[in-house]
Amino acid sequence: NAGVTQTPKFRILKIGQSMTLQCTQDMNHNYMYWYRQDPGMGLKLIYYSVGAGITDKGEVPNGYNVSRSTTEDFPLRLELAAPSQTSVYFCASSPGTQTSTDTQYFGPGTRLTVL
Amino acid sequence: ELKVEQNPLFLSMQEGKNYTIYCNYSTTSDRLYWYRQDPGKSLESLFVLLSNGAVKQEGRLMASLDTKARLSTLHITAAVHDLSATYFCAVDSSGNTGKLIFGQGTTLQVKP
Repeated sequence: NAGVTQTPKFRILKIGQSMTLQCTQDMNHNYMYWYRQDPGMGLKLIYYSVGAGITDKGEVPNGYNVSRSTTEDFPLRLELAAPSQTSVYFCASSPGTQTSTDTQYFGPGTRLTVL
Repeated sequence: ELKVEQNPLFLSMQEGKNYTIYCNYSTTSDRLYWYRQDPGKSLESLFVLLSNGAVKQEGRLMASLDTKARLSTLHITAAVHDLSATYFCAVDSSGNTGKLIFGQGTTLQVKP
């Protein structure tokens, strides 16, 4: 199992550009999450999904959109990039909170800089 | 609104010493998680604490949860250099969807 994979690893965007961060998991997890981590800080939840076709906002959803058409994939879309979106983005998945091992498994991260 | 606070935020200690990291949270939750992050890396799950009084141990690390006091502790016994990392606690704000609120993290530096 590859676990949670994210692409790209690094990206530099210009202000106003758009991009999609890709996230795929091969553990058949129903729950998936997108976080951002600013330097020296903890993670903040952007969006999450409890299954294909179901998404909901987290703490900091503004400027982002998500979709979940399959169990495996959970892309994060940035529209009109702003310098405030410079951060490291982590995708995570979980088998769900009704299981005894419901911890979240994190991908390697995407380091995004908006100039 | 759920807030999660860790202290200390930075901890420098000698190998062989013991210390405790504290994680306080502001509203009721029965689910608390501890993660480790090495510099420039992703997060690795350490412990999942799912009920009041839960205690889990792995090697030199032991985590506990007191839901009544809204407090979790991560105790380090006889620290070694390999434990140098940033440790995060996170609390489930929703009860059943895994919407985690993270603390700011505690950076642990273990000196030989």
